[in-house]
Amino acid sequence: QKEVEQDPGPLSVPEGAIVSLNCTYSNSAFQYFMWYRQYSRKGPELLMYTYSSGNKEDGRFTAQVDKSSKYISLFIRDSQPSDSATYLCAMTGGKLIFGQGTTLQVKP
Amino acid sequence: DVKVTQSSRYLVKRTGEKVFLECVQDMDHENMFWYRQDPGLGLRLIYFSYDVKMKEKGDIPEGYSVSREKKERFSLILESASTNQTSMYLCASSLAHYEQYFGPGTRLTVT
Repeated sequence: QKEVEQDPGPLSVPEGAIVSLNCTYSNSAFQYFMWYRQYSRKGPELLMYTYSSGNKEDGRFTAQVDKSSKYISLFIRDSQPSDSATYLCAMTGGKLIFGQGTTLQVKP
Repeated sequence: DVKVTQSSRYLVKRTGEKVFLECVQDMDHENMFWYRQDPGLGLRLIYFSYDVKMKEKGDIPEGYSVSREKKERFSLILESASTNQTSMYLCASSLAHYEQYFGPGTRLTVT
């Protein structure tokens, strides 16, 4: 079993939809939870990070961590075609572990 | 803004060649990392370094070595390139280990 599981998609939604991206994990020692966004032919860029459980909001993006369920989510409100990218979750209690990434396409 | 640059965007090498991938960061970060990214396998850590002249093996170090002679520069070396090393190679740097900044990547093809 992988330490971090992420549905690779692809996920296709119409513009304006609410998008939910999710990861599950098995290691209860993880303390920091990150979401990276990777556009085609580019390196990943850090979108948001959360320490321990709870929610964090940044504009149209909300990150949620539920440590009791070992489950993290990224919500994108009012999705835009420019949000089309691969989204990677990542987490660490020492070493950074990445999910496989979910490819999102937002159609105009 | 943090800037991480990689020496080449695309590289084509022959089997058995020695390959050097260079990475430079301009934010005085202590930590630097080399990953490879493959479809269905995600990002896998090859090597990392927490200080000059210091290196640690990641999850898949076989067939690779690294060099860090200066704080801002971290090189990945493929001693004898093989076709299974065809991949996207990503360099990253960080101050805090959880907040990594990535370069644009080098798409390496070994024929």
